[in-house]
Amino acid sequence: GDSVTQMEGPVTLSEEAFLTINCTYTATGYPSLFWYVQYPGEGLQLLLKATKADDKGSNKGFEATYRKETTSFHLEKGSVQVSDSAVYFCALYNNNDMRFGAGTRLTVKP
Amino acid sequence: DTAVSQTPKYLVTQMGNDKSIKCEQNLGHDTMYWYKQDSKKFLKIMFSYNNKELIINETVPNRFSPKSPDKAHLNLHINSLELGDSAVYFCASSQDLGGFLDTQYFGPGTRLTVL
Repeated sequence: GDSVTQMEGPVTLSEEAFLTINCTYTATGYPSLFWYVQYPGEGLQLLLKATKADDKGSNKGFEATYRKETTSFHLEKGSVQVSDSAVYFCALYNNNDMRFGAGTRLTVKP
Repeated sequence: DTAVSQTPKYLVTQMGNDKSIKCEQNLGHDTMYWYKQDSKKFLKIMFSYNNKELIINETVPNRFSPKSPDKAHLNLHINSLELGDSAVYFCASSQDLGGFLDTQYFGPGTRLTVL
């Protein structure tokens, strides 16, 4: 079945560092891809999404490009802030089914 | 104001008991969902529901049942709790049933521990 694999955490960065969280997927057909973020004590929030190959999703300085050739949807941000500390989930939607990755915890230190 | 709320936040109970987790959304959305986050942190959808259609993930045991008194509420009822039911359960909502492409709003989660 479809699945999502994302890099294991935790990831610890200093403020203003470059962030990459890797995400790869396995799916039949053409899934839609998402990144969700969970801040401490809160529910999941949609961060960005891409619905077809080569689409780039972006929000709050985060970006991810849907790469069908490498089946990847890596999350990047050029300069992280302390407020970006959270757990990030990669997800895909395909054939009426939603699958999430295991989550990657990011801690940004001042 | 919290968009999607769940109660209780923590639930500890004995095997064999019946329990419910409540979910409410004040967004006026038509569709609500329940997800289970297992010990490996994977989120798996259990149900999606609006006033027209209930979609059940076939892997969900029939001890689990969603109950919706009105459009703003989707409660999760669990009969005969088992150890393996221990997990964090997330409620979510979106505007449309096909709304995985819409923004889904998630609740904060309910951590269920079965002893």
